[in-house]
Amino acid sequence: ETGVTQSPTHLIKTRGQQVTLRCSSQSGHNTVSWYQQALGQGPQFIFQYYREEENGRGNFPPRFSGLQFPNYSSELNVNALELDDSALYLCASSLNRQGGNEQFFGPGTRLTVL
Amino acid sequence: AQSVTQLDSQVPVFEEAPVELRCNYSSSVSVYLFWYVQYPNQGLQLLLKYLSGSTLVKGINGFEAEFNKSQTSFHLRKPSVHISDTAEYFCAVSANNFNKFNFGSGTTLNVKP
Repeated sequence: ETGVTQSPTHLIKTRGQQVTLRCSSQSGHNTVSWYQQALGQGPQFIFQYYREEENGRGNFPPRFSGLQFPNYSSELNVNALELDDSALYLCASSLNRQGGNEQFFGPGTRLTVL
Repeated sequence: AQSVTQLDSQVPVFEEAPVELRCNYSSSVSVYLFWYVQYPNQGLQLLLKYLSGSTLVKGINGFEAEFNKSQTSFHLRKPSVHISDTAEYFCAVSANNFNKFNFGSGTTLNVKP
């Protein structure tokens, strides 16, 4: 059973650019959540995907968007990057979208916006 | 909506001493509570979780936590810490109808020799 994987590990972009981050969920999991963790802060919920549809969103602007594929892997896209988007982006998968299910986290993608 | 407050941003402690990391939550619905650990440059690893039943929950690496509904707390404890426990610890809450986690701001546990 493979765990949650994310790519790339690190990424450097300039302000105004667009970025795509990728996540492969744990085998058997159909729900993927994305979190943004700024330096020295706890993770903040961006959105969740369940069976290829968005299933809830946190307080993030529309330039943060996502996709989930039939194999339940997922992408996070961020347009018009801003300096404050610099953070660790964490992907987490779970067995389903019901409360109480443990979320398994990937190692994260460190995004730096210059 | 649910929220979590971790009362201590940093906790310094000597090796083999006991430690308690404090977490308080607020919610208008039933909640599930979790503690995660994050080592430098890594993702989050689950230490333990409270879903229902016994209010004393035991987790990995000798950690335990007690759910106290009247005080809306879920404090994490370990009777004797090791240098390897040095890490960032996050308390998280999720509601019973949606698997979204609200995390606290974290507590840095610094174990000194």
